[in-house]
Amino acid sequence: GDSVTQMEGPVTLSEEAFLTINCTYTATGYPSLFWYVQYPGEGLQLLLKATKADDKGSNKGFEATYRKETTSFHLEKGSVQVSDSAVYFCALAANNAGNMLTFGGGTRLMVKP
Amino acid sequence: EAQVTQNPRYLITVTGKKLTVTCSQNMNHEYMSWYRQDPGLGLRQIYYSMNVEVTDKGDVPEGYKVSRKEKRNFPLILESPSPNQTSLYFCASSRHAGGMNEQYFGPGTRLTVT
Repeated sequence: GDSVTQMEGPVTLSEEAFLTINCTYTATGYPSLFWYVQYPGEGLQLLLKATKADDKGSNKGFEATYRKETTSFHLEKGSVQVSDSAVYFCALAANNAGNMLTFGGGTRLMVKP
Repeated sequence: EAQVTQNPRYLITVTGKKLTVTCSQNMNHEYMSWYRQDPGLGLRQIYYSMNVEVTDKGDVPEGYKVSRKEKRNFPLILESPSPNQTSLYFCASSRHAGGMNEQYFGPGTRLTVT
């Protein structure tokens, strides 16, 4: 079945550091790929998405590129802020009617001033 | 404000005592689903519904029931809760079914079964 693997955390960075959170996936066909963010005590919010190979999703300074050849969707940000501290989830959804999201285990990011 | 609401937000109960967690969305979304979140496992889908009176099992449906009598509501029912159902539960909705549709999540319900 489909699966998503992302780097375990926590990832601790200083403010303005460069962020990479790795995500790789296994799926049949051509899934859509997502990054969701969960701030403390809240539900998940969509951060960015890409629906086909070589698409780049971007939002709030975060970027991720859908790489079919390496089955990856790594999340990057050039300069993190304390307010970026959260748990980040990589997810995929097969492009069928079921719309089920398959999530990775989540990566906690802590940004220190 | 467009949102998904869940109640209660926190619940402590005992083994075997039936409970219902409500979920409601005000965006006229067709698709709704329930997930549970456990440490290191991410979120796993319990049940989903593509429209009124249409529900189907997700990855981990055992021990749960759902119903979709109205478009806006999608309650999760635990007929006889057990300690292994202690978890953080999220309801989600999207405009339509289909992998590329963004899902909107509720704030979560933390359930403890003793």
